[in-house]
Amino acid sequence: GDSVTQTEGQVALSEEDFLTIHCNYSASGYPALFWYVQYPGEGPQFLFRASRDKEKGSSRGFEATYDKGTTSFHLRKASVQESDSAVYYCALNSGGSNAKLTFGKGTKLSVKS
Amino acid sequence: AQTIHQWPVAEIKAVGSPLSLGCTIKGKSSPNLYWYWQATGGTLQQLFYSITVGQVESVVQLNLSASRPKDDQFILSTEKLLLSHSGFYLCAWSPGQIFSNERLFFGHGTKLSVL
Repeated sequence: GDSVTQTEGQVALSEEDFLTIHCNYSASGYPALFWYVQYPGEGPQFLFRASRDKEKGSSRGFEATYDKGTTSFHLRKASVQESDSAVYYCALNSGGSNAKLTFGKGTKLSVKS
Repeated sequence: AQTIHQWPVAEIKAVGSPLSLGCTIKGKSSPNLYWYWQATGGTLQQLFYSITVGQVESVVQLNLSASRPKDDQFILSTEKLLLSHSGFYLCAWSPGQIFSNERLFFGHGTKLSVL
């Protein structure tokens, strides 16, 4: 079945540091790939998506590039802020009638000022 | 603009007691509706989805049931809660046409503690 692996369970950075959260997936064909962000006590919010190889998604300074060769969709940001502290989820949708999103385990980002 | 409202915000229930959680979407006709469950500190797992009124599909078996009595309403329930039901329940919706790159819009969730 489909799966998403996020390598880092927690990431601790200082403001203006560079961020990378690794996401690798396993699915047949060309799944759509997503990043969601979840703040404490709230539901996840859509960040961006990509649907085909080499497509770059971006939002709020975050970006990720769909790489079918390495089955990856790593999240990056050049300069993080304290307000970026949250849990980030990588997810995929391999299609079908239920629009099912398969989520990774999430990465908790903590940014100190 | 579309809005999604979940109720209650939080519940503390005893093992073996019944449960009913609700979700209402306003501003969008015939949305696809979903229930997700998130264990404390864990990932999100899809439980149910519904494409239309009266039609609900189960994705995983967790001794829960779901119903869609109205176009804009989705209900999650069980007659007997288990300790393993504790967690965060999220309702979500997506636009009416099912495509593989659809984004989901989540509600704020209901925190359930079963004691």
